[in-house]
Amino acid sequence: RKEVEQDPGPFNVPEGATVAFNCTYSNSASQSFFWYRQDCRKEPKLLMSVYSSGNEDGRFTAQLNRASQYISLLIRDSKLSDSATYLCVVNNREYGNKLVFGAGTILRVKS
Amino acid sequence: EAQVTQNPRYLITVTGKKLTVTCSQNMNHEYMSWYRQDPGLGLRQIYYSMNVEVTDKGDVPEGYKVSRKEKRNFPLILESPSPNQTSLYFCASSLVRENQPQHFGDGTRLSIL
Repeated sequence: RKEVEQDPGPFNVPEGATVAFNCTYSNSASQSFFWYRQDCRKEPKLLMSVYSSGNEDGRFTAQLNRASQYISLLIRDSKLSDSATYLCVVNNREYGNKLVFGAGTILRVKS
Repeated sequence: EAQVTQNPRYLITVTGKKLTVTCSQNMNHEYMSWYRQDPGLGLRQIYYSMNVEVTDKGDVPEGYKVSRKEKRNFPLILESPSPNQTSLYFCASSLVRENQPQHFGDGTRLSIL
């Protein structure tokens, strides 16, 4: 079983739609959680950190459920520019600052 | 501007010819790491370094070497490259503190023929 699992998609949605991505992680010792965004052939870029209380940044909302070892990302009012691969990332400081990446969920927003 | 710089961005070479991919960061980060990204497998960690002269293996270290003689630099060395090391490589750095995200370089696309 992979340490971080995501639905690979692709999710094809119209502009303005709300879309949600889910991610599960297997290591209960994981301590930090992030969503990264990666455009085709480019470097991953931090979208947002995920906090236990849940957090929001504009149209993006991230939630963490430690009991179920589950992370989610909600995107409201999707824009064409949101088309990318979204990477769920967990950090286990037991191994330094190691990040473990999910394989990514592809989002395509169409007009 | 805060950044992680990798060189070269693209390289095509042949089996067995030693190569080095350089990585430099200007943010005074203690932690640096190398990843490779392959279709369907996501990003996998090759090596990481918690500070100068401190390096450790990641998930896929075979065929690679690294060094950390200075805080800002973390080169990735392929002593005898093979075709299965054809991949997209990313260097990343961060502070060593909880909840610190990693900053990535632009990537290096290596093709080993």
